[in-house]
Amino acid sequence: DSGVTQTPKHLITATGQRVTLRCSPRSGDLSVYWYQQSLDQGLQFLIQYYNGEERAKGNILERFSAQQFPDLHSELNLSSLELGDSALYFCASSVVGDADTQYFGPGTRLTVL
Amino acid sequence: KNEVEQSPQNLTAQEGEFITINCSYSVGISALHWLQQHPGGGIVSLFMLSSGKKKHGRLIATINIQEKHSSLHITASHPRDSAVYICAVLNYGGSQGNLIFGKGTKLSVKP
Repeated sequence: DSGVTQTPKHLITATGQRVTLRCSPRSGDLSVYWYQQSLDQGLQFLIQYYNGEERAKGNILERFSAQQFPDLHSELNLSSLELGDSALYFCASSVVGDADTQYFGPGTRLTVL
Repeated sequence: KNEVEQSPQNLTAQEGEFITINCSYSVGISALHWLQQHPGGGIVSLFMLSSGKKKHGRLIATINIQEKHSSLHITASHPRDSAVYICAVLNYGGSQGNLIFGKGTKLSVKP
């Protein structure tokens, strides 16, 4: 158990819908990262937050957004869902950032029908 | 061409064998990660290294910055080592989150 929690574990929805994925980092960790893992693209970095502020942005679509709240939990919002958004979404956390090991959550499996 | 290449893509070994997984990258990096993804999907960070060698139990990771190459070795392999092993690099000057991932090596260790 990494100490990072993600909810829900599974999510099935339809095209055009909007969903919110939630991540709670390890106690004391200030950085949260979101990753997408699809069968054809592999793991891809989406976005990083540090202590409530956006720190780095990767291959995140405009239909996706994220935020980190004062209690340091983070949410990833996916809207206007398409079939291709079906993937595993991982959250990870680290103490600060650049020099730290990342601890991964169990992931949320999103299926868009 | 992918910035991070792993070989082999798939690897089958007998229990007890010594295993090597390779990772080559084409960008300047400040750190390299080895991750393990279990069949159920969970990801565990095994090593983060920027030079030399690290050892944890039966796992050893090495990196050669000049040659832009890293290896992950597993000694006395066991069926519980069966997983996908993923190499990821942190682009030099990039934020920690902006990792570039390899496609992974799927390891199956037979009893």
